[in-house]
Amino acid sequence: GAVVSQHPSRVICKSGTSVKIECRSLDFQATTMFWYRQFPKKSLMLMATSNEGSKATYEQGVEKDKFLINHASLTLSTLTVTSAHPEDSSFYICSAPLAGGPFFGPGTRLTVL
Amino acid sequence: AQTVTQSQPEMSVQEAETVTLSCTYDTSESNYYLFWYKQPPSRQMILVIRQEAYKQQNATENRFSVNFQKAAKSFSLKISDSQLGDTAMYFCAFMKQGGSEKLVFGKGTKLTVNP
Repeated sequence: GAVVSQHPSRVICKSGTSVKIECRSLDFQATTMFWYRQFPKKSLMLMATSNEGSKATYEQGVEKDKFLINHASLTLSTLTVTSAHPEDSSFYICSAPLAGGPFFGPGTRLTVL
Repeated sequence: AQTVTQSQPEMSVQEAETVTLSCTYDTSESNYYLFWYKQPPSRQMILVIRQEAYKQQNATENRFSVNFQKAAKSFSLKISDSQLGDTAMYFCAFMKQGGSEKLVFGKGTKLTVNP
């Protein structure tokens, strides 16, 4: 069964609004989680590493003020896309390390109108 | 920095036949993991197979097996008895051992299994 969940699976929002995406590890604790972004027909690009109890680590070129990451507990990381614009429309996927993994959530499709 | 190269953007195979997907990587690390992930149209990333670099024996998972050539930095995936449900994007990925468990992905190979 699934070991990582994401919510919502898809969201449509207006330009200028903020959107929060949740990533949860199911039945295990994850001190670290990872957020990826995937454009259509492209590969996954790592955006940031979410660290429980400390600040997230962002990859080069990722705006930390636009993509806010909070690792609220040992089973929950959230990604907030602030002041979303159409170019932020994408597929966002989280992953968590677990023996035999890493394993991925089902992803969130964000559409900004 | 590590790089992963998948040189076959698209491949097709007939149902029940065997297909091999190629992957090469570049790293100066000695200890690492290599993965093949499947992404069907649902876009859920599914772990197909995992190989520890220190293990000489090639990993196998039912119909899926790898040919891991550490010196050549090659990590190909063989799918035997292809099934229609194998149609998906396949991503090869690298992860350094120790430290954070972030993955570096190749660009992917789109595999179509034809009836």
